[in-house]
Amino acid sequence: EAQVTQNPRYLITVTGKKLTVTCSQNMNHEYMSWYRQDPGLGLRQIYYSMNVEVTDKGDVPEGYKVSRKEKRNFPLILESPSPNQTSLYFCASRRGTLVDEQYFGPGTRLTVT
Amino acid sequence: KNQVEQSPQSLIILEGKNCTLQCNYTVSPFSNLRWYKQDTGRGPVSLTIMTFSENTKSNGRYTATLDADTKQSSLHITASQLSDSASYICVVSEVDSSYKLIFGSGTRLLVRP
Repeated sequence: EAQVTQNPRYLITVTGKKLTVTCSQNMNHEYMSWYRQDPGLGLRQIYYSMNVEVTDKGDVPEGYKVSRKEKRNFPLILESPSPNQTSLYFCASRRGTLVDEQYFGPGTRLTVT
Repeated sequence: KNQVEQSPQSLIILEGKNCTLQCNYTVSPFSNLRWYKQDTGRGPVSLTIMTFSENTKSNGRYTATLDADTKQSSLHITASQLSDSASYICVVSEVDSSYKLIFGSGTRLLVRP
């Protein structure tokens, strides 16, 4: 089954404790991205990657890091989480052109206390 | 600034009734417009994708329209079902090197028996 998977689905952590949210897709897509979703706001892009070893900042990259060492994986790293990073996070992938279908993962709900 | 605005913010209808959701955008240059359905706590799922040359597209009981001249789109839901209760998100693709998608904040639809 074609899908985007994320782990963990739920995470409660404390300020400053490094964490990684994994994202994997099995569709051989070039383009992957991370979004955060907060109440009343549309999804905002954190980082995106157009292919292996090619990553760039989205609209809200502060406090986040990513890497793309393999085509299928695109982990999101929070080196020192803060409470304002409490949010619902989605990973997404698509083949790579402007009109391709974009598939979203199931989401990771992160709470930073 | 490129924006996507949706109305209404929320809507309650009775099962079996029709409804129309609106989307206005200022994104330019524009590549395509998408409508997504997002169930609470889950990732968005694509309903339709329309390029600037298309003015209508259907997916079952969902019909999207696009007027690229006035920069408006609508999503019409026919014979609503309880399972249509969700947020509906309008997304516009900007023509730039980042293949960026710009998300509206969504319309929350509740279908009551």
